[in-house]
Amino acid sequence: DSGVTQTPKHLITATGQRVTLRCSPRSGDLSVYWYQQSLDQGLQFLIQYYNGEERAKGNILERFSAQQFPDLHSELNLSSLELGDSALYFCASSVAPDSTGVTNEKLFFGSGTQLSVL
Amino acid sequence: GDSVTQMEGPVTLSEEAFLTINCTYTATGYPSLFWYVQYPGEGLQLLLKATKADDKGSNKGFEATYRKETTSFHLEKGSVQVSDSAVYFCALGGSARQLTFGSGTQLTVLP
Repeated sequence: DSGVTQTPKHLITATGQRVTLRCSPRSGDLSVYWYQQSLDQGLQFLIQYYNGEERAKGNILERFSAQQFPDLHSELNLSSLELGDSALYFCASSVAPDSTGVTNEKLFFGSGTQLSVL
Repeated sequence: GDSVTQMEGPVTLSEEAFLTINCTYTATGYPSLFWYVQYPGEGLQLLLKATKADDKGSNKGFEATYRKETTSFHLEKGSVQVSDSAVYFCALGGSARQLTFGSGTQLTVLP
């Protein structure tokens, strides 16, 4: 058990809908990362937050947004869903970024939310 | 930009066989290299890492050596077990870089 909790584990929805994925990081971890894992794109970095503030953006679509709350949990919001958004979405956490403020080498991953858009 | 290329899978081996999963990378500067493992139904977890050229990372019988001259970080294990069945991801990261993952290699070990 990594200590990172993601809910829900499975989500089935229709095109055009909006969903929210939730992540609770390990106790004491200040950074949260979101990744998307799909068969054709592999594991893609979406976005990183540190102590409530956005720190880095990767291949995140404009239809997607995220935030980290004062209690350090994070939510990933996916809107106007398309068939191609079907994927496994992982959240990861780390204690803090390194001195560059970008990332930490050791990430702890949750077990993911499987999103199916029909 | 940074990229990681892994050998195509899936890989199927018998118990006690020797394992090699190839990984090569493209990056500027001096990245750190990692292997993460994903067991069925779980998230990825760090297996081993190396932070500079010629470093060898090792854990649970797995090893990988950071070869700057060949830009490679191949994963090896001398004798695999059924419990090693998982998806293995090579990754590149380090200071001021987000982790960049390879496409993953599915390993199945048969008894």
